[in-house]
Amino acid sequence: DSGVTQTPKHLITATGQRVTLRCSPRSGDLSVYWYQQSLDQGLQFLIQYYNGEERAKGNILERFSAQQFPDLHSELNLSSLELGDSALYFCASSGGQLHYGYTFGSGTRLTVV
Amino acid sequence: ELKVEQNPLFLSMQEGKNYTIYCNYSTTSDRLYWYRQDPGKSLESLFVLLSNGAVKQEGRLMASLDTKARLSTLHITAAVHDLSATYFCAVSNYGGSQGNLIFGKGTKLSVKP
Repeated sequence: DSGVTQTPKHLITATGQRVTLRCSPRSGDLSVYWYQQSLDQGLQFLIQYYNGEERAKGNILERFSAQQFPDLHSELNLSSLELGDSALYFCASSGGQLHYGYTFGSGTRLTVV
Repeated sequence: ELKVEQNPLFLSMQEGKNYTIYCNYSTTSDRLYWYRQDPGKSLESLFVLLSNGAVKQEGRLMASLDTKARLSTLHITAAVHDLSATYFCAVSNYGGSQGNLIFGKGTKLSVKP
């Protein structure tokens, strides 16, 4: 157990639908990052939150949004899903006083059919 | 814009042989990360290289960092089948462990008997 918890592990949904992915960071970490991994695009940074505030944005589509809650867990919302959104979505956390480096969750495999 | 390049992208090795994976990055950074990923799994942290000249070893893997050349290497000694995986290097966009990680495309290593 890396300390970063992602749910669900697998998600199958139809095109046009909306899903929410959840991430709980490692204890003490204030930053949460979301990444998308697809076969042809590699690991793409989507968005970072730090202590509840958006800190940086990467290649995140307008159909995607995220937030970080007061208890520091984060949710990634994906809407109007397309076949091309099928990918592994990882959450990572960092920045706590107890650790250094980045720790990744086990990921959510999203399949859009 | 920070760019991270790995080579080779694919590496087929025989057991017992040695090889090196190279990771170049485009802007100044004092910290570099190596991860291992098995198919469909999460990213497992291998090494965090914290300063120029840093060298770390774990089993048959040894990583080094030259910040002046903006180059890190991951050396594999006497490869075994269990090392078959994809290896990623990554650099923080803002240094340290406070910014999002930018990843190389990964090196897919296959160790054959």
